[in-house]
Amino acid sequence: SSELTQDPAVSVALGQTVRITCQGDSLRSYYASWYQQKPGQAPVLVIYGKNNRPSGIPDRFSGSSSGNTASLTITGAQAEDEADYYCNSRDSSGNHLFGGGTKLTVL
Amino acid sequence: QITLKESGPTLVKPTQTLTLTCTFSGFSLSTSGVGVGWIRQPPGKALEWLALIYWDDDKRYSPSLKSRLTITKDTSKNQVVLTMTNMDPVDTATYYCARTRFGELLFRDWGQGTLVTVSS
Repeated sequence: SSELTQDPAVSVALGQTVRITCQGDSLRSYYASWYQQKPGQAPVLVIYGKNNRPSGIPDRFSGSSSGNTASLTITGAQAEDEADYYCNSRDSSGNHLFGGGTKLTVL
Repeated sequence: QITLKESGPTLVKPTQTLTLTCTFSGFSLSTSGVGVGWIRQPPGKALEWLALIYWDDDKRYSPSLKSRLTITKDTSKNQVVLTMTNMDPVDTATYYCARTRFGELLFRDWGQGTLVTVSS
């Protein structure tokens, strides 16, 4: 199918580790990129490719992939990491796809 | 420094055509590999990719909206224009433009977005 599926909501205790997942058939062939979006703001790229962070993104953010699942891991979650997270990849025709988003709550 | 900014009407009536302009700086759409895309986000909902245009005028469209979308570029003005026909209230959303590169599955830089409301 040409869809990317994310859990709608995930929570994590302050300082703990959380994994946000993205599932889709296309992920067997293509990497996902990940975006953080805070209320009222544009998305910000946090992870792309195998496990790359743009300049300025803390190293507590990391990415991985296995089979049809891509994962964004935040190791030692901070209060400022509370946001919506979206995965992005492509379908077999080269069209971009976005996941439905995961709302991360830091407790 | 790379910046992108969306502009266009904030309110359109049903059945009208929406025209949005993305004006950017810090890069050129005449540079090999560069692309600019449009993504929208209805209030409280997820991101949805709409269209993409590359330096060589290669254009890609969301299959579900292809019949309603047209994307063009004006390299001399550093602008990309998206038109969407037959607007409907369900098209109410914040529309973003963003920079990418050919072969990359990501949008590195985003505009601030512009909210378009479709209502009579």
